[in-house]
Amino acid sequence: SQQGEEDPQALSIQEGENATMNCSYKTSINNLQWYRQNSGRGLVHLILIRSNEREKHSGRLRVTLDTSKKSSSLLITASRAADTASYFCATDPNSNSGYALNFGKGTSLLVTP
Amino acid sequence: NAGVTQTPKFQVLKTGQSMTLQCAQDMNHEYMSWYRQDPGMGLRLIHYSVGAGITDQGEVPNGYNVSRSTTEDFPLRLLSAAPSQTSVYFCASSPYPAGGGYNSPLHFGNGTRLTVT
Repeated sequence: SQQGEEDPQALSIQEGENATMNCSYKTSINNLQWYRQNSGRGLVHLILIRSNEREKHSGRLRVTLDTSKKSSSLLITASRAADTASYFCATDPNSNSGYALNFGKGTSLLVTP
Repeated sequence: NAGVTQTPKFQVLKTGQSMTLQCAQDMNHEYMSWYRQDPGMGLRLIHYSVGAGITDQGEVPNGYNVSRSTTEDFPLRLLSAAPSQTSVYFCASSPYPAGGGYNSPLHFGNGTRLTVT
């Protein structure tokens, strides 16, 4: 089932600005992952944060996780036109529901020059 | 290193026809899965496999069959296509099971866009 819910659904910013998107989920998790999807392509894994971690960095990406609020945020600093894509969070639920990730519906990011 | 390869890229079927979507990976990943992506619905899991000879159902398995005879290949069969199966289909693989606390990210193919008329 789809557990993650991204917010906002769409975001439009200018190059050089920061982009923040959020993900909320409903049940306890083992980890939370963020993926990027360029138009017409498959998803690409960006970053994984474990349930016992609070913050993680990868280049211009910063991910936070607040398990008490069941939410995560993805910050992209100094955005570039090439960051234009859809961004999805995926949760690994801490339950006996089989081996599957639950994906949200995504945030569509547009970065204009 | 090709990663996850899906064929065909595009397909048009008539209602009632059957077909097989191919997925192959060259990374020796044990876990493979099929998702469908529909506008406003995100990705929904159809079937997955944790290794050759082992498959299990996901969230939306009806109308689809899978088998896993080798580590490399995980074909998805549409038994009798319906317009509701119009979607973009993604195959994904991972060294360890996605989910279950294995902390194993998914590697996706570029999708098959299927239209059923």
